[in-house]
Amino acid sequence: EAQVTQNPRYLITVTGKKLTVTCSQNMNHEYMSWYRQDPGLGLRQIYYSMNVEVTDKGDVPEGYKVSRKEKRNFPLILESPSPNQTSLYFCASSFSARVVGEQYFGPGTRLTVT
Amino acid sequence: GENVEQHPSTLSVQEGDSAVIKCTYSDSASNYFPWYKQELGKRPQLIIDIRSNVGEKKDQRIAVTLNKTAKHFSLHITETQPEDSAVYFCAASGGTNAGKSTFGDGTTLTVKP
Repeated sequence: EAQVTQNPRYLITVTGKKLTVTCSQNMNHEYMSWYRQDPGLGLRQIYYSMNVEVTDKGDVPEGYKVSRKEKRNFPLILESPSPNQTSLYFCASSFSARVVGEQYFGPGTRLTVT
Repeated sequence: GENVEQHPSTLSVQEGDSAVIKCTYSDSASNYFPWYKQELGKRPQLIIDIRSNVGEKKDQRIAVTLNKTAKHFSLHITETQPEDSAVYFCAASGGTNAGKSTFGDGTTLTVKP
């Protein structure tokens, strides 16, 4: 089944404890992206990747890191999480980076930082 | 950078009525405008999209119109049904920064039976 998966789905952590949210897609998509969703603020792009080893900042990259070492994986790293990073996170992928198109979203990861 | 504004933030209609949601964008280079539907507790899913070389696109009860000159696009849902109740997001991408996607803040649509 073609899909985007994220792990974990739920995470409660404490301020300053490094964490990684994994994202994987099995559709051979070139483009991958991370978003955070907060009430009333829609989906805000954190980072995106046009292809392997190519990443770039979205609108809200502060406090986050990403890497794209393989085409299928695009992990989101919070090196020192803070309470203002409490949010619902979505990973998404799309077939082509050159011709933008439909993004397929993962199921979401609800992160709480205390 | 790109800025997308979406209105209204909430919309309540009677079953069978039409619903219209509007978005404006700022980057004239943007060329792809999707609409996503997000049901409660679920992930966003594409319902319709339009590219900058097309003015209107229809898919059964939903349609999207694009006015490039005015930099706005709209989602039209006819003959609304209770299952249309959800949050709808517009987005703009493919602009000056090709990989960037900017979403509107969302519209909560409620269809009353």
